Amino acid sequence: GAVVSQHPSWVICKSGTSVKIECRSLDFQATTMFWYRQFPKQSLMLMATSNEGSKATYEQGVEKDKFLINHASLTLSTLTVTSAHPEDSSFYICSARQQGPNTEAFFGQGTRLTVV
Amino acid sequence: AQSVSQHNHHVILSEAASLELGCNYSYGGTVNLFWYVQYPGQHLQLLLKYFSGDPLVKGIKGFEAEFIKSKFSFNLRKPSVQWSDTAEYFCAVRGGGYNKLIFGAGTRLAVHP
Repeated sequence: GAVVSQHPSWVICKSGTSVKIECRSLDFQATTMFWYRQFPKQSLMLMATSNEGSKATYEQGVEKDKFLINHASLTLSTLTVTSAHPEDSSFYICSARQQGPNTEAFFGQGTRLTVV
Repeated sequence: AQSVSQHNHHVILSEAASLELGCNYSYGGTVNLFWYVQYPGQHLQLLLKYFSGDPLVKGIKGFEAEFIKSKFSFNLRKPSVQWSDTAEYFCAVRGGGYNKLIFGAGTRLAVHP
């Protein structure tokens, strides 16, 4: 299957700082990328959907000013957690999908963010 | 709006037992259906998917799932589980007109030798 690479795998940051997480599709062009958040022992909660070259669509309850998403190219999307607080500590997962009706989404390995 | 319901949150089985995990979705139109597995400390892997055609779908590692449209269900099955199947299993649905993939709450499976 196709490969989606997420970087970094884990990051520890101080409260009040910003953290950028990268998601790259390595061997295909991803017209759409998705960002999920997974709390311990819980399911994946969709945060936002981003299409290349346009603004991201955020799910209800997700602060767009706090979780900045940029999808500048067909192979790269970034999620920036701004002014991070301890409650933002979580596992963030991206997935990427090619254009077309019957295509699957491929997932990155996730980024564990710890805000201290 | 789409939603996915997984009935079993925790399942404990002995090796060689048969497995069936329930998944129901709510969406009236055409759907794409998926089962993903997450082994401890690893990322999500696709087990199988249904887009159209034969409602009985075979996936990797001996798993299969059956799409029953009238019941809005996509249950996952395996005739004989192994200790290595210990993992968390997620059902996911994508509505035909929507782009996003919505996940169920997950089922944590523990297989004892």
